[in-house]
Amino acid sequence: QSVLTQPPSVSAAPGQKVTISCSGSRSNIGNNYVSWYQQLPGTAPKLLIYENNKRPSGIPDRFSGSKSGTSATLGITGLQTGDEADYYCGTWDSSLSAYVFGTGTKVTVL
Amino acid sequence: EVQLVESGGGLVQPGGSLRLSCAASGFTFSSYSMNWVRQAPGKGLEWVSQISSSSSTIYDADSVKGRFTISRDNAKNSLYLQMNSLRDEDTAVYYCARDREQMAYWGQGTLVTVSS
Repeated sequence: QSVLTQPPSVSAAPGQKVTISCSGSRSNIGNNYVSWYQQLPGTAPKLLIYENNKRPSGIPDRFSGSKSGTSATLGITGLQTGDEADYYCGTWDSSLSAYVFGTGTKVTVL
Repeated sequence: EVQLVESGGGLVQPGGSLRLSCAASGFTFSSYSMNWVRQAPGKGLEWVSQISSSSSTIYDADSVKGRFTISRDNAKNSLYLQMNSLRDEDTAVYYCARDREQMAYWGQGTLVTVSS
């Protein structure tokens, strides 16, 4: 039972924008940095966003992250077929002394 | 180039044991916290355990406390996960991942199947 809640799926046409929400609490998102991970089918997860809104080298600026209070959001603009994947938020939970992942969101490009 | 390569997965009976390894290269292994993360078939990501750079601090998920032990050998640039009293629900791909506040790099994973 994950402590971070994401919508199971989102979809949009190529070129459009999608946003994925991640809802938590004060002990996790509220007081710690949020990261986002992309998992393409059959592959290991990859870091997309760290420290709420920073992109690792090589991640295009079509991907963006934000945080407000106990929620975080991942945005993907200019949607491409190659963006079809599962996306997870993640953060440290200070009360649990554990790293927690979101429930995951499947992005479908129509 | 950062590389993490897991090994040691396989088929084990319920109640059995298995030791996973993760060989690290391309960075100063002794400077980073390391994690094990698992993913059951068709399911989401589940964090398992974290160890600090010097092994002084270890955190475990409640689901594995008392059964799994994370450790590392900085001289060998290696991370380990000793898994005892394995259960059906431990069946998953196990990934090692680098860093504390974000999983910056991941290995390709090793499959552990617990079944009689």
